[in-house]
Parts: sequence; C-alpha cells; structure tokens
Amino acid sequence: EVQLLESGGGLVQPGGSLRLSCAASGFTFSNYAMSWVRQAPGKGLEWVSVLSGGSATTYYADSVKGRFTISRDNSKNTLYLQVNSLRADDTAVYYCARHSGNFGKGFDIWGQGTLVTVSS
Amino acid sequence: EIVMTQSPATLSVSPGERATLSCRASQSVSSNLAWYQQKPGQAPRLLIYDTSTRATGIPARFSGSGSGTEFTLTISSLQSEDFAVYYCQQYNNWPRTFGQGTEVEIK
Repeated sequence: EVQLLESGGGLVQPGGSLRLSCAASGFTFSNYAMSWVRQAPGKGLEWVSVLSGGSATTYYADSVKGRFTISRDNSKNTLYLQVNSLRADDTAVYYCARHSGNFGKGFDIWGQGTLVTVSS
Repeated sequence: EIVMTQSPATLSVSPGERATLSCRASQSVSSNLAWYQQKPGQAPRLLIYDTSTRATGIPARFSGSGSGTEFTLTISSLQSEDFAVYYCQQYNNWPRTFGQGTEVEIK
C-alpha cells in the first residue's frame, strides 16, 4: 500500500524549531518529487516547499523562505522539513504530499498530517 | 504569484442534484489545474488533474473542464459522501497555489 506518515509536530514557543519527518512506503520514493503543504486551523491549503527526487531542485513559498529547509534521505525513504524561527502564523497541520508525474499533475498521495502549534 | 479564486464559498445542494464549482486564475495556467476533495479531519484527496482527467478510483460523476483562467468542477449527482470542501490548485508556476475552497453542504 502506498503510504506517507508524518511525525515530529508538537507545541513550540515562538522562535523555536522543529524537524518534521515523512516516512514513505509502497513506492519507489526516489522517483518522486515531494512537497510539504500546510493548513492553518479552519483555513485553506498553502503549499510550503518542494524537493525533487534526486534533491537537485527545490522551491519555497515566500512565507517560509530562509526559515524552513526541506531535505530527503532516499536510503531511508524519508522526507524532512526543518522549521526554524517559528511564528504564531506557522501554526498548522503540515502534510507531506507526493507529486504525480515529476512536478506536475497535482499531489496524488497525502499523509495524514502532523500538527505544529506555535504558542508561548 | 498566481492567485486562485473559487466561487461560491459555500454551495448548498440536495442529494442527487448537480453541483457546479468555479475556479479562476489571475493569469493563464494552461491546463495545469487540479481539484481536491477534503473532508473534516482528513487529508485532501486528488480528484482531477490536467483540468479534466480523473485520478485513480474517482467516480465518473466528477468531471472537470476549462482552460487558461476559467475552470469548473461538476458533480453530476451528489451523493452523501460528496459533501466536503473542494480546492482547486494550479501547477503551472511556482509557487503552487490553491484556491480558498468551496464547501458543498447539504441543502
């Protein structure tokens, strides 16, 4: 079964850091670009960052550029998001999602999400 | 950044009726448009990509159309499991952007 499983969320103070993980199974992880997408409580979806299968290409949303770093370990079938200098408006459920067809054709597989709460 | 605008924000529909959801892009995204369904407490699910191609396992009552800046998702005969929030998303440019969502509720 194709599956993504996020972990690493939690409660963190403003200015703090976390590392989110996304464990993939059931497909050849290195063949797919992967993204992080977040959703603030009661709000819509916001794309955060993408990393190509071989880690050569990456993009970030302006709202997180310079604070978040995406990476992957294809030997462990795991995607990461290092989130630093956290702010209250970073509070959200963070989903990892697989790109269907290189970078195109939408996100065909999603994890269940991990909640990051930024609060003092 | 391409801004995606969905309308209406909420659509009240009776089971068995047709639902038509709209999505407008602030500039052309060609046919690089996807639709997702999200139910409370769940991750989004890909319904449609390339404007009109149904994803694996998606029933034929879901259809997409449009090109350029104007797109439509049609649900031909609403079933109880279709009441949810629907998002459009462009993948023509970076950053990828989503519409704000249309909630389809039971009338």
